Amino acid sequence: GEDVEQSLFLSVREGDSSVINCTYTDSSSTYLYWYKQEPGAGLQLLTYIFSNMDMKQDQRLTVLLNKKDKHLSLRIADTQTGDSAIYFCAESPRNAGNMLTFGGGTRLMVKP
Amino acid sequence: EPEVTQTPSHQVTQMGQEVILRCVPISNHLYFYWYRQILGQKVEFLVSFYNNEISEKSEIFDDQFSVERPDGSNFTLKIRSTKLEDSAMYFCASSEDWVEQYFGPGTRLTVT
Repeated sequence: GEDVEQSLFLSVREGDSSVINCTYTDSSSTYLYWYKQEPGAGLQLLTYIFSNMDMKQDQRLTVLLNKKDKHLSLRIADTQTGDSAIYFCAESPRNAGNMLTFGGGTRLMVKP
Repeated sequence: EPEVTQTPSHQVTQMGQEVILRCVPISNHLYFYWYRQILGQKVEFLVSFYNNEISEKSEIFDDQFSVERPDGSNFTLKIRSTKLEDSAMYFCASSEDWVEQYFGPGTRLTVT
């Protein structure tokens, strides 16, 4: 079945850029998503990209999609301490309607 | 800003008991979902609901589970006879057009 993988942990210094990576297996994915989860909170939709796009920028967030390698990344520019959270990558496979398949999440720690 | 709400935030129940988890989706949304996250594991899709019927369900969503939209605002997940392995965080989500799914804060279900 479909699988989405992420590294577990990333630590950066405040002001640096963060890059969170994700790989997926389903080549028929239609949309790929990034969600953010802060302690005790639900999943906050950050951004998403349609599979026919290579890049999407939204303020400090840049999403890059490499369909050939099935690789998705989220770059956060000028990372702040408030960006510390768990970031989940998710895909919506074309043949499975609107169900999301999530990665295990990457915990981002931002050091002052 | 409209948001998905869930009640209760924490539910403790004994094995074999029925539980109902409640969600109020965003008011103009048409698609509704339940996901769960067992501690230390990935967020897993359970079911999606549109036009008063289930549109997609996973293997997890067996006969012990049911969903209902009893009125114009609530969306519920019922587990008929809870098992220890049903202990998890349950997330409700809703979307207007199935692309952008917005999640609630979750209900932590503990089965003892």
